[in-house]
Amino acid sequence: DTGVSQDPRHKITKRGQNVTFRCDPISEHNRLYWYRQTLGQGPEFLTYFQNEAQLEKSRLLSDRFSAERPKGSFSTLEIQRTEQGDSAMYLCASSLRGAAILSGNTIYFGEGSWLTVV
Amino acid sequence: KNEVEQSPQNLTAQEGEFITINCSYSVGISALHWLQQHPGGGIVSLFMLSSGKKKHGRLIATINIQEKHSSLHITASHPRDSAVYICAVNYWGAQKLVFGQGTRLTINP
Repeated sequence: DTGVSQDPRHKITKRGQNVTFRCDPISEHNRLYWYRQTLGQGPEFLTYFQNEAQLEKSRLLSDRFSAERPKGSFSTLEIQRTEQGDSAMYLCASSLRGAAILSGNTIYFGEGSWLTVV
Repeated sequence: KNEVEQSPQNLTAQEGEFITINCSYSVGISALHWLQQHPGGGIVSLFMLSSGKKKHGRLIATINIQEKHSSLHITASHPRDSAVYICAVNYWGAQKLVFGQGTRLTINP
């Protein structure tokens, strides 16, 4: 257990439905990241927050995707009108801005939320 | 072409063998990460490097900034080391990680 929790761990939904994933980062971490990973590939960046501010969004994050971190703590990732191509694992990670580069493992990942769109 | 290239993509070895996984990247970075991913998805950070070499138990990670290359070594490999090992980098000025495709390692008893 890395301290980053994601919910739900698995979601099967019908095409066209909306889904929402939640991430609870390590409590003192001010940076939160969302990545997407498909089978056999490395994760791809979607977006990141510093506190409640969304500072960067990937072009992968189409208009159907929205992410929020309203109080700078937990975050949600919503996918509207899901498509089969959205089937993937959605990974959340958190880190602490200002942590010494040489201190070691400063990024922590959740277990991921698997999405299957049928 | 992925910006972060790993080799080999798959590696099978016998217990006890010395393992090397390589990672190359294309432009300047502020940090390189080695990550381990087990079946089921969870990713664990093994190392973060900006220069030189780090060691933790049987794992050793090295980086050559000039050559834009890093290696992850596992000594006295064990079946429990079987996992996907992923290299990821922070490019200068960027907070996001750019990942390699991963190396699937299988250690047979």
